[in-house]
Amino acid sequence: QKEVEQDPGPLSVPEGAIVSLNCTYSNSAFQYFMWYRQYSRKGPELLMYTYSSGNKEDGRFTAQVDKSSKYISLFIRDSQPSDSATYLCAMGDSGYSTLTFGKGTMLLVSP
Amino acid sequence: DGGITQSPKYLFRKEGQNVTLSCEQNLNHDAMYWYRQDPGQGLRLIYYSQIVNDFQKGDIAEGYSVSREKKESFPLTVTSAQKNPTAFYLCASSAGQLRGYTFGSGTRLTVV
Repeated sequence: QKEVEQDPGPLSVPEGAIVSLNCTYSNSAFQYFMWYRQYSRKGPELLMYTYSSGNKEDGRFTAQVDKSSKYISLFIRDSQPSDSATYLCAMGDSGYSTLTFGKGTMLLVSP
Repeated sequence: DGGITQSPKYLFRKEGQNVTLSCEQNLNHDAMYWYRQDPGQGLRLIYYSQIVNDFQKGDIAEGYSVSREKKESFPLTVTSAQKNPTAFYLCASSAGQLRGYTFGSGTRLTVV
């Protein structure tokens, strides 16, 4: 079993839809959870950062962490064509020196 | 503006050549990282450094070498021992566990 599992997609939605992106993980020591957005041929950029469990909201984006299920989610409300990108989840444990990344989910938002 | 600069953006390498990818940051971050990204493979860690003059191998270090002589700079050399070097290379830096990574814009290396 891989440490972090993420559906590669592509996930295609119409503009305005609510998008749900997810990752599952196996290492119960993970405490730091992040979501990165990567446009084609660009470097990833940090979108959301959550420590331990719970929800975090930033504009149209909401990150959720369920440590009991080892499951994290990123919700995008009122999706826009500019949200079309690959979304990578990343995780670290309490003493992490490197993050563990999912392989990314490609999202396509059509006008 | 603070950030990470990777150069060149595109690089072509002949068989048997060594090439060096540049990564410079002005964020005053202690830790720096090199990743390789291939389609369908996600990000794979090549090397990382948490402090000047010290670095550790990642998951796919064979055929690569690095140095960390200055806090701002973490160049990656792709040697002729790397049999399949064509990929997108990403450099990142971090100020610590609560900050995540800041990535550069990447270098696309192609063997010709």
